[in-house]
Amino acid sequence: QLQLQESGPGLVKPSETLSLTCTVSGGSISSSSYYWGWIRQPPGKGLEWIGSIYYSGSAYCNPSLKSRVTIFVDTFKNQFSLKLTSVTAADTALYYCARRDRTTVSIDYWGQGTLVTVSS
Amino acid sequence: QSALTQPPSASGSPGQSVTISCTGTSGDIGYYNYVSWYQQHPGKAPKLMIYEVSQRPSGVPDRFSGSKSGNTASLTVSGLQAEDEADYYCTSYAGSNNFVFGGGTKLTVL
Repeated sequence: QLQLQESGPGLVKPSETLSLTCTVSGGSISSSSYYWGWIRQPPGKGLEWIGSIYYSGSAYCNPSLKSRVTIFVDTFKNQFSLKLTSVTAADTALYYCARRDRTTVSIDYWGQGTLVTVSS
Repeated sequence: QSALTQPPSASGSPGQSVTISCTGTSGDIGYYNYVSWYQQHPGKAPKLMIYEVSQRPSGVPDRFSGSKSGNTASLTVSGLQAEDEADYYCTSYAGSNNFVFGGGTKLTVL
């Protein structure tokens, strides 16, 4: 059974960089059938797509966040990561990592999510 | 890209049917047949309920169905059950490897 697990600091100071890693187990991140991505959900609010990456390293990001987002993959560790620079309180959210099927273009597996709070 | 538009709330009594709409543009829902719907219970990760507008993943009850007309997609839950009470989100492919979510609809089973 595929599992995704987010990890990283739960508290980040304003203007600093948020860094999260998603570890994939029970399947290979190098599969040609999937993209791997990040979605966030501010407390009490809706979902926002952040971006996704293919095992080859090709990454795609939400245009509204593009200037601050970097997504990269480590196929040897079966992990992919997110960096979000210059964070503000508006970036406080539950961050999910997920797998997206290339054919159906739908997210079929989600991590449990990790809460990141931006505060001094 | 703008978020897709969903009604903030919907409700129905057990056994009834409820339809949740999701309105986008000719650049996302209106152009691509890559609309998905997710169910999210409090404190849980979202769960895929519908993909490619109307397809159900294995294990999702056939009480859940999806459709699309023009720039609007819809999720219908028939034979409402108490466990269907949750938040529902639509999402669509918007081209150039971009995706857009709806704002979510809270479904209440009365």
